[in-house]
This record gives sequence, C-alpha cells and structure tokens, in this order.
Amino acid sequence: DQQVKQNSPSLSVQEGRISILNCDYTNSMFDYFLWYKKYPAEGPTFLISISSIKDKNEDGRFTVFLNKSAKHLSLHIVPSQPGDSAVYFCATAGGTSYGKLTFGQGTILTVHP
Amino acid sequence: KAGVTQTPRYLIKTRGQQVTLSCSPISGHRSVSWYQQTPGQGLQFLFEYFSETQRNKGNFPGRFSGRQFSNSRSEMNVSTLELGDSALYLCASSAGLTTDTQYFGPGTRLTVL
Repeated sequence: DQQVKQNSPSLSVQEGRISILNCDYTNSMFDYFLWYKKYPAEGPTFLISISSIKDKNEDGRFTVFLNKSAKHLSLHIVPSQPGDSAVYFCATAGGTSYGKLTFGQGTILTVHP
Repeated sequence: KAGVTQTPRYLIKTRGQQVTLSCSPISGHRSVSWYQQTPGQGLQFLFEYFSETQRNKGNFPGRFSGRQFSNSRSEMNVSTLELGDSALYLCASSAGLTTDTQYFGPGTRLTVL
C-alpha cells in the first residue's frame, strides 16, 4: 500500500523553463512534507519543506505547493538549470511517527542545455 | 557545521555473515533514523533512535537491529545476511520532532555475495 506516490517516473525540460514535479499522498495524518534531491550512490539532499498549515513555501528557485483537500503537493523549479538534473523524492512525516519519513518512488528530472 | 557521516562507505559480505554500520549525526542532533534503499522497494524506513531509545520501527525482520550511544552516534547491525540485503543504507539526523528536517549522510553501499 503506497501512501506516497510520484506518478511520473521521469521528466525532461529545457534549461530556463519551469520544472513541475508532483506527489500524491493518502494519509491525512501527514502534516509535514519535504522534497529531497538525490544523485546515485549518495544520500538525499534536503531542498524545501512545508507544513500542513501553509499552502505555499518559497526558497529561491524552489517553490512547494500543498493542496490538502486533494492530498497533493508539487515542487516548482524556476528557472531550471542543467545542475538540477537528479532524482527528486517527496517525503511525508507526521503524527507520532517519530523519525519516519515515507518516501515516494522518485522522479528523474533531466534538464537539457 | 559538519554533516552526517557514515562509515564504511562500501562493504562486501557473503551470505550468512553479519555487518555493523556506523552513523555520526550532526552536532546537537539527538535523533538518528535509518533507511534502506533498493531499486525495487525504494527508500524504506528501518528504525529511529532518540536519546539512546528506539522510538519507532519499520517493517523489517529482527535480523535488522540498531542502537544509539550517549553521544548520539548510532550503529545498525544486520545478522545472517541474505542476498536481498544488498542495498544502500542511509542514516539521517534531526533534532527529534516529527516536523524537524532530517539531513542524510552519504550512505553505506552493502553488497552481499
């Protein structure tokens, strides 16, 4: 039973354009949401997070949107750069599930020069 | 501030052996979580330790165990290794609340032959 889903295994965009990565979750108890970027054989790098009391959070080129009624979050990267090419994971946390992040399957982002 | 460190980075073992992996968290962080990443199952939560106590555990067999020391450093142990235990093992540290961001180490690549 996948509680967090990233339905797009891959995404290809042109440099300078917007990249939009999507994530759906099923558990209403989740109240904290994060995006990580990962290269093969390395640990995930934290990008941005949002709590359930907000619907948007921005950090530089990265913006995360949360739609609680739809149980959907998205990550926007503007403008996209070739160095953004990596696997992006959404992750959720919440309630009393201490220390546990539930991850989506990841989306491979490729930004072409 | 130094990041999360994991040792060793690479390990090759044979079936039936046991292995111990080590994780040093970011200074001041009291929570350490462990994850397993495989191509088929993605990133899965193993367990979390806070102040030397296991607070949360994922759905892994008892062959997977861990502990945390008074300086917050953590070890995980896998006994009676199976081929399917080949994976990237990641640890992450945080301050300890469910809404605190987890920061990941580089991982230990375990290969079981």
